[in-house]
Amino acid sequence: ETGVTQTPRHLVMGMTNKKSLKCEQHLGHNAMYWYKQSAKKPLELMFVYSLEERVENNSVPSRFSPECPNSSHLFLHLHTLQPEDSALYLCASSRVAGGQGQFFGPGTRLTVL
Amino acid sequence: AQSVTQLGSHVSVSEGALVLLRCNYSSSVPPYLFWYVQYPNQGLQLLLKYTTGATLVKGINGFEAEFKKSETSFHLTKPSAHMSDAAEYFCAVSGSGGYHKVTFGTGTKLQVIP
Repeated sequence: ETGVTQTPRHLVMGMTNKKSLKCEQHLGHNAMYWYKQSAKKPLELMFVYSLEERVENNSVPSRFSPECPNSSHLFLHLHTLQPEDSALYLCASSRVAGGQGQFFGPGTRLTVL
Repeated sequence: AQSVTQLGSHVSVSEGALVLLRCNYSSSVPPYLFWYVQYPNQGLQLLLKYTTGATLVKGINGFEAEFKKSETSFHLTKPSAHMSDAAEYFCAVSGSGGYHKVTFGTGTKLQVIP
C-alpha cells in the first residue's frame, strides 16, 4: 500500500450505531488530520494530531472521538450520529512543518439514517 | 486569521482553451499556498504549492500558479485544457495559527467542453 488509505470507503449507519473509520499513512509523516466535506460547504478541519498528540479540535461534537495510537494510524470513532453528519470524511497526513502540503486519502462516504 | 476566496464556483472552458481559476487569500503571516484537485469519489490531490522563493510555481498535469503578494492572489492556470482536467479545484492557505492549520476555499468546479 502506498500513500494514505481509508477504510471503509462507504458506511451506512443508524443513529444508534457505533462505528469507526480507519486511516493509515505510508508516507513517514508525523501529522494526521480528519476533515469533513459536505456538499456546498468548505472543507472543515475536525482534528489534527501532531507527533501523536492532538493539537486541534475545532469544536467538534463529542459524538466524534478521534484516536491516534501511532504516527501511521488514525481512527474516528462514531456514536449516536445525526443525519446531518452524513458527509465525506477525509483523512490527510503531512510532515509537522506543513510546508510540503497535506496528502489525502480517498475518503469514507458516510450516510446516517 | 487566514482565509481563502475562490472566485466562481463553476468555470467552463473549451478543450484546448486557457484555464484560469482565481484565488485570493488573506494571512497575517507570510503564507504557504496550495492548489488541490479532487476527482469524483476521490480525495484531494496536491497540484502545486508555494512556500518561499520563486513566485511562479509549476505543478503536475501542466498547471502553474503565480504568487502575487501585492494582489494577495494565487491564480491557477493551464495553457490548454484537456477533458481529463474536469474536476473540482481547491485553493488553500496555511501560516496563521500554525502551519498545520490549512484553510481551504470553497472550490471551483471546472467543466471542459469538447
